[in-house]
Amino acid sequence: EVHLVESGGGLVQPGRSLRLSCAASGFTFADYAMHWVRQAPGKGLEWVSGISSNSRTIDYADSVKGRFTISRDNAKKSLYLEMDSLRAEDTALYYCVKDRGSSWYFFDYWGQGTPVTISS
Amino acid sequence: DIQMTQSPSSLSASVGDRVTITCRASESISRYLNWYQQKPGKAPKVLIYATSSLQSGVPSRFSGSGSGTDFTLTISSLQPEDFATYYCQQSYSILPITFGQGTRLEI
Repeated sequence: EVHLVESGGGLVQPGRSLRLSCAASGFTFADYAMHWVRQAPGKGLEWVSGISSNSRTIDYADSVKGRFTISRDNAKKSLYLEMDSLRAEDTALYYCVKDRGSSWYFFDYWGQGTPVTISS
Repeated sequence: DIQMTQSPSSLSASVGDRVTITCRASESISRYLNWYQQKPGKAPKVLIYATSSLQSGVPSRFSGSGSGTDFTLTISSLQPEDFATYYCQQSYSILPITFGQGTRLEI
């Protein structure tokens, strides 16, 4: 059974940094692309970033480009999101998401999310 | 980036109704269009991928169609468990992935 467990969320002041982690199990992690998707309170879904299975393809939403860095460790079956220069508008529930393909295809499994709150 | 526009933003319907939700892309995305369902307090789950392929375990009352810029999600006979928010999502090439704004389906 596929499990995605996010961690690292919390309350952080504007301008500070935070690192999210996602521990994956139940599938061959190295074979699939992974993503971070966020949802602000009461709002819709926003794709944040994605990384292909071999880390050769990485992309970001314009709203986080230059501030967030996605990475993965296939040996540890883990996905990461380094978030710098955080803003109030980054407040959201951050989901770790598995892609069905090695690159962009569709999202077949989601974690339960880790909440991030940016406030002074 | 490709913009995805869903209509309507909200919809009221009854059990047994046939419902159609539309998603329009700002440029052609071939058939790289997926649909997700999200219930309150839960993570989204995929219903339809690649425009019309039904994800394993999803009831056959859900169907999808379209190509290019215009796509639809149809629920043939609404069940009580279908009241949720639905999102379309494009995954065309290696462009940034984008979601529609969501359609809230209410009783």
